[in-house]
Order: sequence, then structure tokens, then C-alpha cells
Amino acid sequence: SQQGEEDPQALSIQEGENATMNCSYKTSINNLQWYRQNSGRGLVHLILIRSNEREKHSGRLRVTLDTSKKSSSLLITASRAADTASYFCATVNYGGSQGNLIFGKGTKLSVKP
Amino acid sequence: DSGVTQTPKHLITATGQRVTLRCSPRSGDLSVYWYQQSLDQGLQFLIQYYNGEERAKGNILERFSAQQFPDLHSELNLSSLELGDSALYFCASSVGLAENTGELFFGEGSRLTVL
Repeated sequence: SQQGEEDPQALSIQEGENATMNCSYKTSINNLQWYRQNSGRGLVHLILIRSNEREKHSGRLRVTLDTSKKSSSLLITASRAADTASYFCATVNYGGSQGNLIFGKGTKLSVKP
Repeated sequence: DSGVTQTPKHLITATGQRVTLRCSPRSGDLSVYWYQQSLDQGLQFLIQYYNGEERAKGNILERFSAQQFPDLHSELNLSSLELGDSALYFCASSVGLAENTGELFFGEGSRLTVL
């Protein structure tokens, strides 16, 4: 079952603009992660934010976490054509006896030069 | 390069057949995860192994099985293949467990086409 759900499903912007993607999840979490996937390639970890953190930065990436609303956002500033990819949020699902990382369906970002 | 190696990269087979996908995790990583990615279902967690033991099971069909060997490489076996099994199959690895260590390192995937 999906734990995180990204919104929007697709986003098209011009180079230089900011891109904001949102993720909502259902259950309590220890941390939330964002991954990037270029078309047909493996996923690449971008950033992890822990449940006791509200905001985290990494280069042009800014992630926020609101545990009261069970939501997170990923902001990419000054986007570039090379940022074109799908972006996924992921949380640990404690369904059953063990934890495993569950991904949302992703936001497909297209950055036009 | 994530350090996770998956073979084969592409595989075309017929319905009813059986295939084996192989994954070599990053050096030192004890956890291996298998995911299936299809257009309509997104990225679905299949199964996780930690140091040779099955750790967590997700939406894995009974026709699918996996194991992790003493050298920590893993294999995903898919049998009685159906058209709907066509997908990208990813292997990922991490040092410890997802809930503790966080970051997963993904291979480039094995693209399976069932005709």
C-alpha cells in the first residue's frame, strides 16, 4: 500500500523557476526521505528529514516537514533542465513486524530550457 | 554509480516462463530490498533481506521468490510469468535497516518484458 502520496503528479516549469512538490503520508514516521529518478534509471537519494526536524537544506533543495499535518514539501530553487526527473517521497512502513521503505507514486518534473 | 549491480539489464521472455534477476549490493551493505516499478502501480516494495534472513515482505506474489546468499548477493526468481509482470525490477541496499539507517542505494534495474 502507498504510504506517501506526492502532489502534483506532474509539474512543468521554465528553467530558473522554483519547483515545489508535496508529499502526504498516513502514519507516524521516524524520518521522511526524498529520492529522484531520471527516466528509466535507478532512484537516487536526495535528502532525509527526521521527525524532530522542521526544515532541512541541501544545495538548491529545501525540505520541510509538518508532522501535525503529516506532510512534507520539496522545493528546488533556480531549476535547471537537468532537474527534469521524477521525485518520490518515502517513509518507513511499520505494517507487519518489520519496517520497510514505502514510496509514493512520484511527481514528474519537467524543466524547459 | 551507486555501487549496486543488477543483472541482466534487459530481459525479454514469454508467458509461463521463469527468470532470475540478480543483485550485488554495495560493499558492506547487509540489507537488500527488491522493488517492482510499473506505470500503473508505481514503485512497489516486494521483499527485504538482512544479512541472509528475510526481514520484511510487501506485495510479493506467490509466484515470486527471493533469497540472499552468504556473500550477500540476492536473487529474485519470477515464475509462471504473466504479461502483467512486465516491469522494472529494482534492487537497493543499505548498511542496516531502513528504519534506522535511512538512505537506500538503488541499482539501475532489470527491465523485464513478458510477451
